[in-house]
This record gives sequence, structure tokens and C-alpha cells, in this order.
Amino acid sequence: EVELLESGGGLVQPGGSLRLSCAASRFSFSNYGMNWVRQAPGKGLEWVSGISGGGGSTLYADSVKGRFTISRDNSKNTLYLQMNSLKVEDTAIYYCAKDRRKTTVSTPDYWGQGTLVTVSS
Amino acid sequence: QSALTQPASVSGSPGQSITISCAGTSSDVGGYNYVSWYQQHPGKAPKLMIYEVSNRPSGVSNRFSGSKSGNTASLTISGLQAEDEADYYCSSYTSSSTVVFGGGTKLTVL
Repeated sequence: EVELLESGGGLVQPGGSLRLSCAASRFSFSNYGMNWVRQAPGKGLEWVSGISGGGGSTLYADSVKGRFTISRDNSKNTLYLQMNSLKVEDTAIYYCAKDRRKTTVSTPDYWGQGTLVTVSS
Repeated sequence: QSALTQPASVSGSPGQSITISCAGTSSDVGGYNYVSWYQQHPGKAPKLMIYEVSNRPSGVSNRFSGSKSGNTASLTISGLQAEDEADYYCSSYTSSSTVVFGGGTKLTVL
């Protein structure tokens, strides 16, 4: 069964930075696109970013474009999300999710348990 | 990248069937067969229930089914059970090569 373990969440001040990591196991990591999806407290799901299996294609929601950067290290089976210029409205649980496709993302299938990011002064 | 439109809540009694709608546009739901449905219980991660409009992952009960007509997708749960009570989200691939989710629907089993 696919395993995804997020880390790196925590409390950060507005304008600050944070890097999330997602360690993947039990599947061929480089053969699948990966996603970051977030959920603000008591709110719905919001897709944040996606990356192709090889890492050459990256995609972002308008709400984070220019501030967040998604990347992956296929040699370490790890997905990353670098978050800069954080805003209070970025406060959420951030989920790492494997996609069903390789060359793009369209269908997150397996999800991690999430890591909480709180942006507050 | 506007969110897909779902009803805020639906309810049904055990054994009944319910349907949750997911309205989009020709740039997402109507333009691609990459519509998915997720179930989320409180404090848990979402679980994929339907992918590519009407396909069930291995292990998902056949009481769950999906369909699409034009710009609107639907999730039907038949033979409603207490454990089906959860939040349900639809998602779709978009013409911008991104993914968009619906606002979510709270299902109450009476």
C-alpha cells in the first residue's frame, strides 16, 4: 500500500517561509505525478500545486503562484513545497497526494495524513 | 480557477439512495473525463471513491457510482449506510492543466 508522510509544518509569521517535505514509499515514485492539496480549518479542499513524474512540468493555483515552488528528488523519493511570503490565509493542513498520471496531474489518488501550517503573528 | 459547485448538504435514511451534484464549465467538468470524487471523515485524509467520472478504485463498494452529463457530474450512493456519513468532494482536471475541487457536500445519514 502506498505510503506518504508529510513533515515540515509549524507556526510561522506572516511574510515568512517554510519548506514542506513528503516522503513516499511502496510505489515507483518517479512514475507518477504528485500534488499538494490544502484544507483551511473547517473549510474545503484546495488544490495548490502539481508536478510531473520527471519533475519537468510544474503547475500552481493562482492563489500561490509566484510564492510557492514545488519540486521533487526522485533519488530520495521525496516531494517538496517551498512556501515563501506566507500569508494568514495560507493557514491550513497541507496534504501530499500521489496522482494516477505520470506526465501531468489530474487525479490525486493516495493521500498522506497532512501537516499543519499556521501563519500568525 | 473557480471552485466547482456542490450542494452544501444532503441527507438520507439508511437503505435509501442519494445523489450529489457537481457543476462546472466546459473548461473543466464538461471538457474532460477526469472527474473524481472523494470521501472525507472528520480528522481524516480524503479517500478516492470514483475516478475518471465512473470508475471505482479497488476496494470501494459498488454502492458508489459516478456519472456526467454536460458540465455537471454526479455521485450516487445507494443502500445508504451509517458509515457513509462524511464530507464528499468532487474534482476535475481543467483546461489550464490544473485541478479544481468542489466546495464539498456534507452527507448526513438520518
